[in-house]
Amino acid sequence: AQKITQTQPGMFVQEKEAVTLDCTYDTSDPSYGLFWYKQPSSGEMIFLIYQGSYDQQNATEGRYSLNFQKARKSANLVISASQLGDSAMYFCAMREGYSSASKIIFGSGTRLSIRP
Amino acid sequence: DSGVTQTPKHLITATGQRVTLRCSPRSGDLSVYWYQQSLDQGLQFLIQYYNGEERAKGNILERFSAQQFPDLHSELNLSSLELGDSALYFCASSSQLQGASAEAFFGQGTRLTVV
Repeated sequence: AQKITQTQPGMFVQEKEAVTLDCTYDTSDPSYGLFWYKQPSSGEMIFLIYQGSYDQQNATEGRYSLNFQKARKSANLVISASQLGDSAMYFCAMREGYSSASKIIFGSGTRLSIRP
Repeated sequence: DSGVTQTPKHLITATGQRVTLRCSPRSGDLSVYWYQQSLDQGLQFLIQYYNGEERAKGNILERFSAQQFPDLHSELNLSSLELGDSALYFCASSSQLQGASAEAFFGQGTRLTVV
């Protein structure tokens, strides 16, 4: 069954340090996509980064990168040089299959707090 | 602005009542998703529509129902409301043109408070 697990309910990190947010997933479908979203205190959901199951390279978007370890079924988000504005909830999500006509399920999230 | 519009932004209603939440997806997006986020919780997947047809169902209560109309807007109907239904309800849409990599674009959410 499709499942996303985020085991870190909360994290505190010093400003300018790098931070890794953990995400493991479970699926029996060989084709799937993994997403990370940020939810600031204002409540909106902001898409950060995507990794496809057949992508050979780890995805990167600016200060965000995804440490994709397929055999371990993990897709950790790495934020380099953290900033105060990175304080937010972060959600890992997954879609199974080839098509966009499939559901996206989310993990329980990690609350990241950046200390000045 | 994600291009996904949800109305109303806030809704306060009494237990036992029925409400309708409305979502207009981004122009041309065929997929619409509904999620429930209770206080400090993750996003619980409720239901997905694709081009007017129900595509996937999550742990949606029988008191809840949804539909997607020919113009692709969607409505989520919540009936016999209970205090525990208080939550932020998100609608999201995604494009059919990018395949599985199409991210979901989220509306601002409807904050439902049941009193």
